[in-house]
Parts: sequence; C-alpha cells; structure tokens
Amino acid sequence: NAGVTQTPKFRVLKTGQSMTLLCAQDMNHEYMYWYRQDPGMGLRLIHYSVGEGTTAKGEVPDGYNVSRLKKQNFLLGLESAAPSQTSVYFCASAPGTGRGVNQPQHFGDGTRLSIL
Amino acid sequence: QQQVKQSPQSLIVQKGGISIINCAYENTAFDYFPWYQQFPGKGPALLIAIRPDVSEKKEGRFTISFNKSAKQFSLHIMDSQPGDSATYFCAASLADRGSTLGRLYFGRGTQLTVWP
Repeated sequence: NAGVTQTPKFRVLKTGQSMTLLCAQDMNHEYMYWYRQDPGMGLRLIHYSVGEGTTAKGEVPDGYNVSRLKKQNFLLGLESAAPSQTSVYFCASAPGTGRGVNQPQHFGDGTRLSIL
Repeated sequence: QQQVKQSPQSLIVQKGGISIINCAYENTAFDYFPWYQQFPGKGPALLIAIRPDVSEKKEGRFTISFNKSAKQFSLHIMDSQPGDSATYFCAASLADRGSTLGRLYFGRGTQLTVWP
C-alpha cells in the first residue's frame, strides 16, 4: 500500500507562474486535506474535501484552489504564484465516518515549493 | 486566534531522560487529542491519541496526560532515545459529525533533540 502520494516532491517557480500539486490516496478515504507547513507556524489547513465533488475552505485558502473530481485524488492549484506561498505542502486523508468518531489523518511526505 | 498552544518550541534532552511537551486549548468542545511525530523530509505520522473521558493513555514509552479542567494535555517520552529526535505536534479536533469533519487544529510544534 502506497498510502498518500504527493507529486511532485520539489518544485521551483517564478512569481506569477501557475502549477498544480497532486495528491493521491489508495485507502478509499472519504476526507482529504491540504496543509502548508512554515517554520514556527505548525500545519495550517488550506482546503479540504469530505467526498468526491466537494471542497471547502480551511484556515488559509487565499491564493489557492482545489478540485476533487475523483475520490482518490485531491488537487491543489496555484493560479499566480507569489513568494509568500513558498512552503512545504502536505496532503492528508482520513476515513471520515461522519458518525462522531474521529479517525487519524494519514499524511504524504510533502511537496517543497519555492517561489522566486 | 490559535486554537492550540504548544510549548516549548524546542527541547534538548539527554539520552535516557524524560521529554515533556505541553499543549493548551480553549474550545471545550474538542473531543479528540492526537500527537503527531515528524522526521525531517517526511510527513507527520500519528503517534498516540486520547479522548477527554480518560486522564492518561500509555503506549510503550509514550504517555499522554490529560487535564480536562485545566484544558491542558501533555506528551511524556520516557527513556528518551536519539531515534526520538523529531518534531512533535499536538492537535485537537471536534467530533467528526457533519460540518465539523474531524478537522484538526495543530500546535506549532516542538523540535526535540535527544543527545546520546
């Protein structure tokens, strides 16, 4: 089982360029999440999804868009990259029962994104 | 407003010693408190978790102590080893029901170094 796979692992962009980060999970999880991790800031939620075709904003959604056309994939897009978006991006998934019982989130190994 | 506050930011412990990381929260509706461990270049991985109906949970050398009245919880690592050197995140979550989606609120992390 691969778990949660993020593509690419590293990327350097110029200001104003666009790109899409891909997250794929093979655990048949309902919930998926995108976080960014910055030094001293912990993990901050960007967007999340409770199922195929649904998305919602998290704590720091500005400058990002997401799509979940297939249950196993969650895409994070940067339409016009800015230096402030230089960060490490993590995708996570969870079974998501919706019945009051929390399930642990499983994380990928991240995408390191630098914007010049 | 930061939902979960974590301290210290960094911690250095001698091999065989006890590592203690503390977290505090405000929202009394939180009912799931996981700890995540992250090694360099990797994503966070669930280490241990507790629910507010118990005051302590132990798994091997790792123990969570939970004080509901003080709205605080802590991670204790007994007999700390160099292999425990990592970044540790506490988190809190509302119950996974409908709109709350089991969303995790993370502390800012503690970088633990265990000297041999």
